[in-house]
Amino acid sequence: EPLLVESGGGLVKPGGSLRLSCAASGFTFSLYAMNWVRQAPGKGPEWVSSIAFNSAYTYYADSVKGRFTISRDNAENLLYLQMNSLRVEDTAVYYCARDDSMLNWGQGTLVTVSS
Amino acid sequence: EIVLTQSPATLSVTPGERATLSCRASHTVSSSLAWYQQKPGQAPRLLIFGASSRASAIPARFSGSGSGTDFTLTISSLQTEDFAVYYCQQYNNWPFTFGPGTKVEIK
Repeated sequence: EPLLVESGGGLVKPGGSLRLSCAASGFTFSLYAMNWVRQAPGKGPEWVSSIAFNSAYTYYADSVKGRFTISRDNAENLLYLQMNSLRVEDTAVYYCARDDSMLNWGQGTLVTVSS
Repeated sequence: EIVLTQSPATLSVTPGERATLSCRASHTVSSSLAWYQQKPGQAPRLLIFGASSRASAIPARFSGSGSGTDFTLTISSLQTEDFAVYYCQQYNNWPFTFGPGTKVEIK
């Protein structure tokens, strides 16, 4: 059964950086596009970024463009989100999700940006 | 950016009744529309993809329909475990976008 496990969240000051990881298992990771989706407290989900199965393309929400970088390691079945210049409004639970239709989601990792 | 509008914002339903949720897109998304269920403290769960295909292990009481700009999620006979928030999402164009959600509550 497909399983996604996020890690790397935590408390960071505005302007700081974090690197999120998503470990995938139970499916052929290298065949699927992957996404990061976030959900601020009390709000709905917000798509953050997508990466092709072979890293041929990456897309970003305008709210994170130039600050966040998505990447993947198909040999290790890992998805990453490098987050720089973090802002208070980036506070959210960050989920990784498989494929454009978000077939599976991880349990999420909480990122809190606060001074 | 494609804007998704969901209605109603809240739906009060008696267990066993039928629930009909609507999602409208500002521009066509073809059939690239998914529905998710989210309960408090949990990640969203995919119910429907491709506008009308049920995801793995989703009960048959959940069905999706529509194409283009108008979509519907129908729950034929609400069970107590179905009370949750439901979101639609389009993946026809980047940026992918989610609707604001419909909360289905017990009447």
